[in-house]
Amino acid sequence: GAVVSQHPSWVICKSGTSVKIECRSLDFQATTMFWYRQFPKQSLMLMATSNEGSKATYEQGVEKDKFLINHASLTLSTLTVTSAHPEDSSFYICSANEGGNEQYFGPGTRLTVT
Amino acid sequence: GQNIDQPTEMTATEGAIVQINCTYQTSGFNGLFWYQQHAGEAPTFLSYNVLDGLEEKGRFSSFLSRSKGYSYLLLKELQMKDSASYLCAVPYDYKLSFGAGTTVTVRA
Repeated sequence: GAVVSQHPSWVICKSGTSVKIECRSLDFQATTMFWYRQFPKQSLMLMATSNEGSKATYEQGVEKDKFLINHASLTLSTLTVTSAHPEDSSFYICSANEGGNEQYFGPGTRLTVT
Repeated sequence: GQNIDQPTEMTATEGAIVQINCTYQTSGFNGLFWYQQHAGEAPTFLSYNVLDGLEEKGRFSSFLSRSKGYSYLLLKELQMKDSASYLCAVPYDYKLSFGAGTTVTVRA
């Protein structure tokens, strides 16, 4: 149980375009979903926290107009990277919890912006 | 805020034991997690300690001392597949704060 999926697994896009990443909790209803970014050889950095039906809470330094988060249901959250630039190339990971402290992680999405 | 410190890298031989230390400073302690992360993959859960003491789970054990703000992850009978990054994390405000991770390299 407690499986989280992400789609796509990897994506290559051109600079200036937008990319949408989906995060789904497959066998449970997620109270909260989290979006992380991880650069090579660095730890996970939390970007934002989202709850179903409400606006996401962004961490300091994360541009909310650039990284759009929609949490339309208890099993789906999406992250849209708008006007992507090469420096946005990273590993994006989502996670979800059922109300406790433990988070269940998705497999991650590798974004490359050319 | 949370301040989590763990060593950057460790190297050990196949079959050996390695201990990864993690020290933390946090307001309102709600337990401590250890995750394993292979390169290019998402973290996978290893352990969650809330009470002091050692918890053993097969080849992996995790220890916590709340009074010292200290935890360690013990990996026994190391295998090549254990080469990965090990992340210490503490919950706060329903979020997780991660340490920088310790990269463990297992050599034959």
